[in-house]
Amino acid sequence: GDSVTQMEGPVTLSEEAFLTINCTYTATGYPSLFWYVQYPGEGLQLLLKATKADDKGSNKGFEATYRKETTSFHLEKGSVQVSDSAVYFCAGGSEKLVFGKGTKLTVNP
Amino acid sequence: NAGVMQNPRHLVRRRGQEARLRCSPMKGHSHVYWYRQLPEEGLKFMVYLQKENIIDESGMPKERFSAEFPKEGPSILRIQQVVRGDSAAYFCASSPTASGRLRNNEQFFGPGTRLTVL
Repeated sequence: GDSVTQMEGPVTLSEEAFLTINCTYTATGYPSLFWYVQYPGEGLQLLLKATKADDKGSNKGFEATYRKETTSFHLEKGSVQVSDSAVYFCAGGSEKLVFGKGTKLTVNP
Repeated sequence: NAGVMQNPRHLVRRRGQEARLRCSPMKGHSHVYWYRQLPEEGLKFMVYLQKENIIDESGMPKERFSAEFPKEGPSILRIQQVVRGDSAAYFCASSPTASGRLRNNEQFFGPGTRLTVL
């Protein structure tokens, strides 16, 4: 079945640092890919998505490009803020949504 | 438009008791999904329901767990005779149409119910 593997954390960065969280997938079909963010004590919120190869999802300064050749959907942000501290989940699937284990990001002032 | 509602937010049960978790999807959404998040783990799919139908329960444990989504009222995830290993956060998500082909069918998540079994 489909699976998603993402970089394990925790990740600790200083404000304005560059962020990359790696995510790769395996799928038999043509999955859509998503990044969700979970703030402490809350549910998951969709951060961005891409539905086909070479699509780039972007939101709030975050970006991820659907790379079919490397089966990847890495999350990037050029300059993180303290408010970006959260847990980030990569997800995807053709039929059912499959989640990575999550990466906890802490951004220090 | 209110988001996905889940209650209770926190639930404490003793071993052997029953736990009932409720989920009200977003208005206009007729598809509900339940996920379980264990500590330090990602979300695991449990069950996918439409009104009055279970579409996919491949992630549900074979015993003690059941789910329903009646014609009226919220979706219910029921855990009978809880054990300590059931302690987790349970998330509900809804979508307006089937996510069988996920292309544009985003799932909207509720805040979760955190179940603690003593």
